[in-house]
Amino acid sequence: EAGVAQSPRYKIIEKRQSVAFWCNPISGHATLYWYQQILGQGPKLLIQFQNNGVVDDSQLPKDRFSAERLKGVDSTLKIQPAKLEDSAVYLCASSRPRTGRGETQYFGPGTRLLVL
Amino acid sequence: AQKVTQAQTEISVVEKEDVTLDCVYETRDTTYYLFWYKQPPSGELVFLIRRNSFDEQNEISGRYSWNFQKSTSSFNFTITASQVVDSAVYFCALSETHGSGNTGKLIFGQGTTLQVKP
Repeated sequence: EAGVAQSPRYKIIEKRQSVAFWCNPISGHATLYWYQQILGQGPKLLIQFQNNGVVDDSQLPKDRFSAERLKGVDSTLKIQPAKLEDSAVYLCASSRPRTGRGETQYFGPGTRLLVL
Repeated sequence: AQKVTQAQTEISVVEKEDVTLDCVYETRDTTYYLFWYKQPPSGELVFLIRRNSFDEQNEISGRYSWNFQKSTSSFNFTITASQVVDSAVYFCALSETHGSGNTGKLIFGQGTTLQVKP
């Protein structure tokens, strides 16, 4: 079974530029998560999808971050415009069931973003 | 509010030593799940174990073992006879299940960096 795929693996941009990350979850996983991991910290949830609907985006900085999951499969996370403090690893995860509660989340390799 | 604390920021051991990584959690939920993940230098979070709040049995998997104690809200992880390949950052995480605001997201601790020297 293929794992969670993410691209690109690395991205360097200048502040005020825009950037997009892509994620393809494990086949059949209904729930998809985007986490932000700042250096030296644990991951923090940005947004959670159940199929193609948003379940939780309370921690997403909506003035600059956006995400979509068209057709309930792969997802794109965008930052526009980027700030220096957005430098982090962006992790995508997926899990199987309808609610996502308590189920194991499987993570992709992440995208390392550096904003200069 | 839910919270996970990993008080040990960094641990350094010599190969073949046993090492225990501590995890203390806070939750008001009666049903919840606890996890451990490993993050090697490559960056990917690797799932190690999932335990629900009703199962307090300790678990052993090869050189890994986990001690879950609800009375002290702890879920500690022990590596027996550590190896250099165990060097990584280890995260403990909590997922609540009840309440309208609980969607199953993982609340992570700060992580413990384990260095195993040859």
